Amino acid sequence: GESVGLHLPTLSVQEGDNSIINCAYSNSASDYFIWYKQESGKGPQFIIDIRSNMDKRQGQRVTVLLNKTVKHLSLQIAATQPGDSAVYFCAENITPPGSARQLTFGSGTQLTVLP
Amino acid sequence: NAGVTQTPKFQVLKTGQSMTLQCAQDMNHEYMYWYRQDPGMGLRLIHYSVGEGTTAKGEVPDGYNVSRLKKQNFLLGLESAAPSQTSVYFCASSRTGEGSPLHFGNGTRLTVT
Repeated sequence: GESVGLHLPTLSVQEGDNSIINCAYSNSASDYFIWYKQESGKGPQFIIDIRSNMDKRQGQRVTVLLNKTVKHLSLQIAATQPGDSAVYFCAENITPPGSARQLTFGSGTQLTVLP
Repeated sequence: NAGVTQTPKFQVLKTGQSMTLQCAQDMNHEYMYWYRQDPGMGLRLIHYSVGEGTTAKGEVPDGYNVSRLKKQNFLLGLESAAPSQTSVYFCASSRTGEGSPLHFGNGTRLTVT
């Protein structure tokens, strides 16, 4: 799962297998969460989002699960493909004291798809 | 539809030099943001804007200034560059600040020597 620090967590999966990327978020008041994918040399790309009044949301080949009890978010990718190799970030929507609502990002997980 | 466009893509500065990073969005979004990304870390918010003519500080604002004179443009300025500002800078925009995903540009890689 994601953590703060200089060493990026990594996950290697075989092509065709399912991938699960985990994220622990910090603020129990966060009510909106997003997963982003970032390929080398590019900006983060929106994958899927979920609001705190939901436990699960599905997209095309991706599913996001939210467990508010333990403040845990996961991204499941079905039938992982070589093009899925990238860094994946979770982000939570928070309101810092005296500021407007903003997204706070985790440090990311590097997903490598093996042939 | 270009989305969010950042210029330049690469920049090398010497310590003490100044420059402005440009960001433009064509989605008529109200909110715009500047983030920096350092190796092995997530994105950290520098400054943001909730609308034309407004700006606010994020998590790491020191050494940077911003301006939002037009809704579609958000400029990030470095008045006196320092090696600690070597990073990749991303601009983003969103329709609103609540429950709306951010759309990112492809970044500006800045090196300060």
